[in-house]
Amino acid sequence: AAGVIQSPRHLIKEKRETATLKCYPIPRHDTVYWYQQGPGQDPQFLISFYEKMQSDKGSIPDRFSAQQFSDYHSELNMSSLELGDSALYFCASSRLAGEQETQYFGPGTRLLVL
Amino acid sequence: AQSVAQPEDQVNVAEGNPLTVKCTYSVSGNPYLFWYVQYPNRGLQFLLKYITGDNLVKGSYGFEAEFNKSQTSFHLKKPSALVSDSALYFCAVRDSGTYKYIFGTGTRLKVLA
Repeated sequence: AAGVIQSPRHLIKEKRETATLKCYPIPRHDTVYWYQQGPGQDPQFLISFYEKMQSDKGSIPDRFSAQQFSDYHSELNMSSLELGDSALYFCASSRLAGEQETQYFGPGTRLLVL
Repeated sequence: AQSVAQPEDQVNVAEGNPLTVKCTYSVSGNPYLFWYVQYPNRGLQFLLKYITGDNLVKGSYGFEAEFNKSQTSFHLKKPSALVSDSALYFCAVRDSGTYKYIFGTGTRLKVLA
């Protein structure tokens, strides 16, 4: 079965640079979530989109922005990168089906800021 | 506010023995509870969920979880552990209003041969 695709899988950036992470949801899924998992920590919710509209916002820094496109893929744009942004970034997708909704996660993008 | 707690950072169990990974929750309203497993350098894989219905939920790879409303717990169990079950396990609760997940701090399961 098709899964969530994230690219790139690994990314190395310098401080103050920008990065763009991409997420391709499972076909026919209309909702995308972004999570950040720091070293040895649990995933923290950043932002979500439903039908191309932002549906919720969590602990996402102002330096980050995201959007969902007409084909439902999503991009997380990160500017003025800081050392503390080094983390594993997960995208999850779901088909908003009421209380039975389940999020399926991609393999993550590991970002290292030097 | 919704939250989950995983009281054990690590659980060690011998192969073939039953395993339990603990999770307690605090929610307002109906609890929507999930278990995910994370292998090294891999994403989070869905194991099972409790939405409503039977308190014993069966999931992938022989795992099951028991929802206990009076104890506000949702412990993950498996009758016979495998070495390949060694991984990081996360309990999560879904926010009733926004659908975002709130994760526990994770429990590292180590199954010893």
